[in-house]
Amino acid sequence: AQSVTQLGSHVSVSEGALVLLRCNYSSSVPPYLFWYVQYPNQGLQLLLKYTTGATLVKGINGFEAEFKKSETSFHLTKPSAHMSDAAEYFCAVSEIGADGLTFGKGTHLIIQP
Amino acid sequence: DAGVIQSPRHEVTEMGQEVTLRCKPISGHDYLFWYRQTMMRGLELLIYFNNNVPIDDSGMPEDRFSAKMPNASFSTLKIQPSEPRDSAVYFCASSTGGGYYGYTFGSGTRLTVV
Repeated sequence: AQSVTQLGSHVSVSEGALVLLRCNYSSSVPPYLFWYVQYPNQGLQLLLKYTTGATLVKGINGFEAEFKKSETSFHLTKPSAHMSDAAEYFCAVSEIGADGLTFGKGTHLIIQP
Repeated sequence: DAGVIQSPRHEVTEMGQEVTLRCKPISGHDYLFWYRQTMMRGLELLIYFNNNVPIDDSGMPEDRFSAKMPNASFSTLKIQPSEPRDSAVYFCASSTGGGYYGYTFGSGTRLTVV
């Protein structure tokens, strides 16, 4: 069974600093990979996804993620954090041909002024 | 497009009462998923439907939980009888093509059982 590990339940960065949220997956074959963001009292919103093709994926709000097969990773980055980026971020995987997504536990991103 | 619509947004009920959560998926989406979110367990898939047919309900915690999808535009998740440990945020999500395209989530129903 596939699983998703997000390192760090809480990550704190200063406004303007680099954001790096880590995600590793376990799957026998490269899966489809997703990052979602959840703002307080809201549902999850798709940030970006990797299915096939280019391994560097750009998403909304200036975020991007790189699929590294050799490291089974899909880390999320943003060059310069903004206060509005404070939220919960979830990494998710779906095996090719599968219907459902498996989510990580989430990482709470805190932006320090 | 109004997105995935869930109702109610908040529900407070007493232990032992029946609770019904409602979801209207995006028109044209053929998959519907019910998730539960708690601090302890994170996001858990409860059940999902494809073309109104339940495909996998292995995540439903107990027989007290049941879900239906009588047509392509409506689904319910029912808890009877409710217990305090059922307190959580319940999300409905819909998609086309299963996992490939990702999901669109509703805003959730925050359930509190006292």
